[in-house]
Amino acid sequence: GENVEQHPSTLSVQEGDSAVIKCTYSDSASNYFPWYKQELGKRPQLIIDIRSNVGEKKDQRIAVTLNKTAKHFSLHITETQPEDSAVYFCAESGYALNFGKGTSLLVTP
Amino acid sequence: KAGVTQTPRYLIKTRGQQVTLSCSPISGHRSVSWYQQTPGQGLQFLFEYFSETQRNKGNFPGRFSGRQFSNSRSEMNVSTLELGDSALYLCASSKGTGKEETQYFGPGTRLLVL
Repeated sequence: GENVEQHPSTLSVQEGDSAVIKCTYSDSASNYFPWYKQELGKRPQLIIDIRSNVGEKKDQRIAVTLNKTAKHFSLHITETQPEDSAVYFCAESGYALNFGKGTSLLVTP
Repeated sequence: KAGVTQTPRYLIKTRGQQVTLSCSPISGHRSVSWYQQTPGQGLQFLFEYFSETQRNKGNFPGRFSGRQFSNSRSEMNVSTLELGDSALYLCASSKGTGKEETQYFGPGTRLLVL
């Protein structure tokens, strides 16, 4: 599948700060970009997704931005809380979901 | 609606054995995709089934196979197990097949090969 690069691999923030995770992709035909959150020992859960007909989407403290020209998209979490601590995966949809390697986010009280 | 379920949740096998994993999708979902998750390689696509037909296949050897039944339940089989097959195997279901379908994951089957 096509490559999806995700940065950073680890991210530590203090409670209340913002966290930003960035992904780049190579398939210009990709039109769907979901983000999944995986807590330790649990299944990946969809937290937000964006389709290429919009540049930004928000859901409470979570937002995703997409720049199709530059082929990158980002996850923004504001007012982070300890329960936001998890591994976050970005993905782009080719004939299957192609995932980034994940970002381990730690929110410290 | 009940979520995606997978059985068994944990398995221990020895090299050379084979294993069959099962996935029941969300009611009404007709597509099931399988992924292998390892610390080193992350989440990698194995294959997708829709209406009992394999639609897409990832870059895995032929030891990995699957099938889907008329009720959309899916199984995957790994033959001649190798140590490197130890991983979390996740299935995900979606309503249809297509590049913009939202996929919902099951809890996974953790396979340990000794």
